[in-house]
Amino acid sequence: SQQGEEDPQALSIQEGENATMNCSYKTSINNLQWYRQNSGRGLVHLILIRSNEREKHSGRLRVTLDTSKKSSSLLITASRAADTASYFCATRDTGNQFYFGTGTSLTVIP
Amino acid sequence: KAGVTQTPRYLIKTRGQQVTLSCSPISGHRSVSWYQQTPGQGLQFLFEYFSETQRNKGNFPGRFSGRQFSNSRSEMNVSTLELGDSALYLCASSLVLGDSYEQYFGPGTRLTVT
Repeated sequence: SQQGEEDPQALSIQEGENATMNCSYKTSINNLQWYRQNSGRGLVHLILIRSNEREKHSGRLRVTLDTSKKSSSLLITASRAADTASYFCATRDTGNQFYFGTGTSLTVIP
Repeated sequence: KAGVTQTPRYLIKTRGQQVTLSCSPISGHRSVSWYQQTPGQGLQFLFEYFSETQRNKGNFPGRFSGRQFSNSRSEMNVSTLELGDSALYLCASSLVLGDSYEQYFGPGTRLTVT
């Protein structure tokens, strides 16, 4: 499969803790995007990191990208119950096929 | 600005029937993509349209087709429905073609095939 793999598949933490999820992909990319999905609804774009960037911040989100290892991580700091959702990484390969990772299901316990 | 809208939100069809789903992108967005989401296969790319032309296509059988109109609205059609076509179908729009732009997703159409 050309899909990215995300790790862990599921994560459960206490409110206020940090959550880290990882994504690995298989092809060369121009950029990598992270999305959030709440309970079977549409996806919401969180952050985009370009292939020449190593780290990017947006509010409580921190994304890293290691193109040599074909991997990315998403860190959510000071988690809140409202962060409970599934998180997906997404890439487009050189053939313009768009792929989503398998997703990490995050549960933040109040 | 209104978001991406998809109609209908829920649909129940019988095996062998066909179905048409509709997507209205954000005003000014010219690229529309479709995805199928199932518990087993996850999110899979169906196709992408830009300026009324299909630009990219995923690995789905020919029963899955789509089109885009001059106002950028898009429809996807699934013919001869199978039980395995039961899924959440998501439409996403972006300003232009290419992966440098974020996609805005609609709420999805949940299709159940019985």
